[in-house]
Amino acid sequence: QQPVQSPQAVILREGEDAVINCSSSKALYSVHWYRQKHGEAPVFLMILLKGGEQKGHDKISASFNEKKQQSSLYLTASQLSYSGTYFCGTAPSNDYKLSFGAGTTVTVRA
Amino acid sequence: EAGVAQSPRYKIIEKRQSVAFWCNPISGHATLYWYQQILGQGPKLLIQFQNNGVVDDSQLPKDRFSAERLKGVDSTLKIQPAKLEDSAVYLCASSLDGAGDQETQYFGPGTRLLVL
Repeated sequence: QQPVQSPQAVILREGEDAVINCSSSKALYSVHWYRQKHGEAPVFLMILLKGGEQKGHDKISASFNEKKQQSSLYLTASQLSYSGTYFCGTAPSNDYKLSFGAGTTVTVRA
Repeated sequence: EAGVAQSPRYKIIEKRQSVAFWCNPISGHATLYWYQQILGQGPKLLIQFQNNGVVDDSQLPKDRFSAERLKGVDSTLKIQPAKLEDSAVYLCASSLDGAGDQETQYFGPGTRLLVL
């Protein structure tokens, strides 16, 4: 079952913060976050595992609430390079089979 | 370290024609995936290989799509005959055969298919 992402799109000015949410109706083993720029392949950002800690990558971090079957991606002090579509991929078990959400398009303006 | 390689990058065909895509995963990666990404949507898994065996092909339209990974390294995905709704980007990804952080999937640049 495909996870649900919200919001669908967000427009930011440089330096502003944003939160992207990813919710699943099934229990999750892992959540994977990717960013895809127009016409390019999805690029891996981070993976969060059941029982694991919140992760961070530069000023992008994520959390995983296992009880709520949700993950949130936090964009802090956004930069122009953060523009793109962010996808969450969820796996119900450690069989590496991901279901991806429809994506959240982030536009950062100067 | 070289990334996932795919070819061709673009392909335009007419409906009912056949087409094939090629993927070479990252060296040492045992698991290979083919995804279909329709414009405006997230990638949808078509087939997953572990070495040269199929792990999951439940979402592969088997009446027209086929895939193989004969020597457990590179792979081909074929569509025969193509339909208009097959227009999409076909992404190949690979991952190490492991658990935890090793299940990270790395994507290739994709093949953009347009069926007219």
